[in-house]
Amino acid sequence: DAGITQSPRHKVTETGTPVTLRCHQTENHRYMYWYRQDPGHGLRLIHYSYGVKDTDKGEVSDGYSVSRSKTEDFLLTLESATSSQTSVYFCAISESGSGGTEAFFGQGTRLTVV
Amino acid sequence: QKEVEQDPGPLSVPEGAIVSLNCTYSNSAFQYFMWYRQYSRKGPELLMYTYSSGNKEDGRFTAQVDKSSKYISLFIRDSQPSDSATYLCANRGTSYGKLTFGQGTILTVHP
Repeated sequence: DAGITQSPRHKVTETGTPVTLRCHQTENHRYMYWYRQDPGHGLRLIHYSYGVKDTDKGEVSDGYSVSRSKTEDFLLTLESATSSQTSVYFCAISESGSGGTEAFFGQGTRLTVV
Repeated sequence: QKEVEQDPGPLSVPEGAIVSLNCTYSNSAFQYFMWYRQYSRKGPELLMYTYSSGNKEDGRFTAQVDKSSKYISLFIRDSQPSDSATYLCANRGTSYGKLTFGQGTILTVHP
């Protein structure tokens, strides 16, 4: 899995509670991404990071925030979880942003908001 | 209209068959084309990667890109039950590694 660890792997939470998912990499790759995967939609980019403290929004960023204080860690926070955020979340890393290597994915976090 | 369209299937074939998986896209800025394979409850893994138009072969897998028609294909020869998975096409332009995915095609190869 290219040295990517996501935690937790499974989580059930209640509507309105904050939730933080963690992605940890040991590859020292510059770029990190959070995607969500839902039936009928494939994977959609939530947020990405192109360096420590450098982040930007993806296609479906509403309701999510991210932080990257170290090269190896990229956190995804749901400030107030909603049922529509029930999904499987994948972290990905890539060495370079243009050309070169492509993104490698973690094993995923299955989040259920009840 | 989605930027990348992929028939979700499901697709069921007998072992040994040739499988053809396809995607169409609308964004002319896409220059890098990938195929990911995803087993159940696992993360996607990169299977094939091509740049611009043309063919690329890797063992039983061939990726084909036709930028003029915005059409990409993955062919699997001599399909095996271990090929049963969801296949996702993904495209991107030149900046960063932001990928735009198709919905994924569920493939089952039965013995």
